[in-house]
Amino acid sequence: DSGVTQTPKHLITATGQRVTLRCSPRSGDLSVYWYQQSLDQGLQFLIQYYNGEERAKGNILERFSAQQFPDLHSELNLSSLELGDSALYFCASSPRAYESYGYTFGSGTRLTVV
Amino acid sequence: AQKVTQAQTEISVVEKEDVTLDCVYETRDTTYYLFWYKQPPSGELVFLIRRNSFDEQNEISGRYSWNFQKSTSSFNFTITASQVVDSAVYFCALSRLTGANNLFFGTGTRLTVIP
Repeated sequence: DSGVTQTPKHLITATGQRVTLRCSPRSGDLSVYWYQQSLDQGLQFLIQYYNGEERAKGNILERFSAQQFPDLHSELNLSSLELGDSALYFCASSPRAYESYGYTFGSGTRLTVV
Repeated sequence: AQKVTQAQTEISVVEKEDVTLDCVYETRDTTYYLFWYKQPPSGELVFLIRRNSFDEQNEISGRYSWNFQKSTSSFNFTITASQVVDSAVYFCALSRLTGANNLFFGTGTRLTVIP
């Protein structure tokens, strides 16, 4: 157990729908990152939050958004889902914003859009 | 811009053979981190190693060893006496030392160890 908890583990939904993926970081970690692993794009960085604030943005679509709450858990919201959004979504956490020491991944949420 | 290239898409070896997974990276930063992760069939990302660009010393951990050569921008990973449990996809990744510290991943190398 890495200490990073992602729920749900699997999600199947229809095109056009909206889903929310949840991530609880490792205890003491303030930074949360979201990554998408798809067959087309490989593993790519989506967005980072640090202590409730957005810190960095990667290749995140406008249909996707995220937030980090006061208890430091984070949610990734995916809307107007398309077949191409089917992927494994990873959350990672680290203690600080600018230090990759202690970077830990969760086990992922597998999203299938049908 | 940061870029990681893993030219080997798939490798198959027979159990007990040694295998080397190649990783070449590009960055304009003078300081950075390099990583290797293992993704077994179950899907999770398992951290293997993080190397600071300051430290070019090679590292060995059991059957695993890593060869970091800054001159050729390579960070290769060798598994000695491979085992079936080593079958997985292996990713090399790069992150900046300062600024945004997200990881830039290569496309991965799928290793199959045949019993």
